[in-house]
Amino acid sequence: GESVGLHLPTLSVQEGDNSIINCAYSNSASDYFIWYKQESGKGPQFIIDIRSNMDKRQGQRVTVLLNKTVKHLSLQIAATQPGDSAVYFCAEKGGSYIPTFGRGTSLIVHP
Amino acid sequence: GAVVSQHPSWVICKSGTSVKIECRSLDFQATTMFWYRQFPKQSLMLMATSNEGSKATYEQGVEKDKFLINHASLTLSTLTVTSAHPEDSSFYICSAQEGAGAGDGYTFGSGTRLTVV
Repeated sequence: GESVGLHLPTLSVQEGDNSIINCAYSNSASDYFIWYKQESGKGPQFIIDIRSNMDKRQGQRVTVLLNKTVKHLSLQIAATQPGDSAVYFCAEKGGSYIPTFGRGTSLIVHP
Repeated sequence: GAVVSQHPSWVICKSGTSVKIECRSLDFQATTMFWYRQFPKQSLMLMATSNEGSKATYEQGVEKDKFLINHASLTLSTLTVTSAHPEDSSFYICSAQEGAGAGDGYTFGSGTRLTVV
């Protein structure tokens, strides 16, 4: 399950299950959203993005859903694998070209 | 795809010395480069934004005299941590953006683990 503590919230799943990572963004004027994956000791890697004129976008095993009404973004990972274990960040871009990063969620996949 | 190279990947230095971290965009010209600091199990904290040929814009609370940023070309930005102290130990990450539009690629380097002893 998902837990929130002083540090990153953690989502623990079993290998093969689907994972859903959530993100609440703050700026209603943001028009571009990105999900990044960060493995331990490495820089963040781009996973998938979505523009504000869309509410869903699919990639390989990943889907991003955007709900502008409640300013909510989610990343769904199908058939989660141990290699998916990482910290996932959402980022939003609005009028400024500088993305604003969310808090991050640590995904732990148990074999 | 766009590649950003960051060097070194890790460095250990003595307290009081200075350390330089390089960030290079390998296959594109980066209009803007960004420097982040990340503490364990926390999100990325933007330190500064630099455009080629101009002074960096530092975020509130970031000491510009301590964290010197130079962006001499469209493919290279450097961060120098001057007179480093143990509290400067952290994971430093750069990123580079090719254009200024919302959808323009934003690529991260692999990060540098700085340990000050």
